[in-house]
Amino acid sequence: EAGVTQFPSHSVIEKGQTVTLRCDPISGHDNLYWYRRVMGKEIKFLLHFVKESKQDESGMPNNRFLAERTGGTYSTLKVQPAELEDSGVYFCASSQLGDRGNEQFFGPGTRLTVL
Amino acid sequence: AQKVTQAQTEISVVEKEDVTLDCVYETRDTTYYLFWYKQPPSGELVFLIRRNSFDEQNEISGRYSWNFQKSTSSFNFTITASQVVDSAVYFCALGSNYQLIWGAGTKLIIKP
Repeated sequence: EAGVTQFPSHSVIEKGQTVTLRCDPISGHDNLYWYRRVMGKEIKFLLHFVKESKQDESGMPNNRFLAERTGGTYSTLKVQPAELEDSGVYFCASSQLGDRGNEQFFGPGTRLTVL
Repeated sequence: AQKVTQAQTEISVVEKEDVTLDCVYETRDTTYYLFWYKQPPSGELVFLIRRNSFDEQNEISGRYSWNFQKSTSSFNFTITASQVVDSAVYFCALGSNYQLIWGAGTKLIIKP
């Protein structure tokens, strides 16, 4: 069974440009999460989808970030326009529908560098 | 406020030594979950264990063991007879309302 996949693995963009990150969860996992780790800091929660609905987006830093999960399958996270402080590693995770203690399976992450 | 503290930024030991990674958490929830994840140099986050707040039994899995103590809000992780392949960053996390709240991670270096 394929794990969580993320694309691209690494993105380098100029400040002010737009970048779109993609996450494909494990097939059948209705829960999908985005996290990020900026340099030297903790991994922080961004948002949580249940199928195509945003269940919790309390961690989204500002309105430059837009996440979608059309059809309840893969998800995209768009940063527009990107700022220097957006640099970091963006992780996607998925879990089965169920209680909140379910194991979250993580993708390899996308390393975003904003110059 | 909910918080996870991993006070040890980096630990370096010689292979075959035992090593304990500390994790202290804060939460007002009565039901919560605790996790440990491993991040090897390749970058992915690998699940190691999950514990719910009602289960204080210690757990052993091969060379790995976990000590959960609600009285001290701690969930420590011990590697016995460490090996070079154990070198990684280890994260402790608190599960609350589906999102995970993470500690800063402990970088573990095992020297041959």
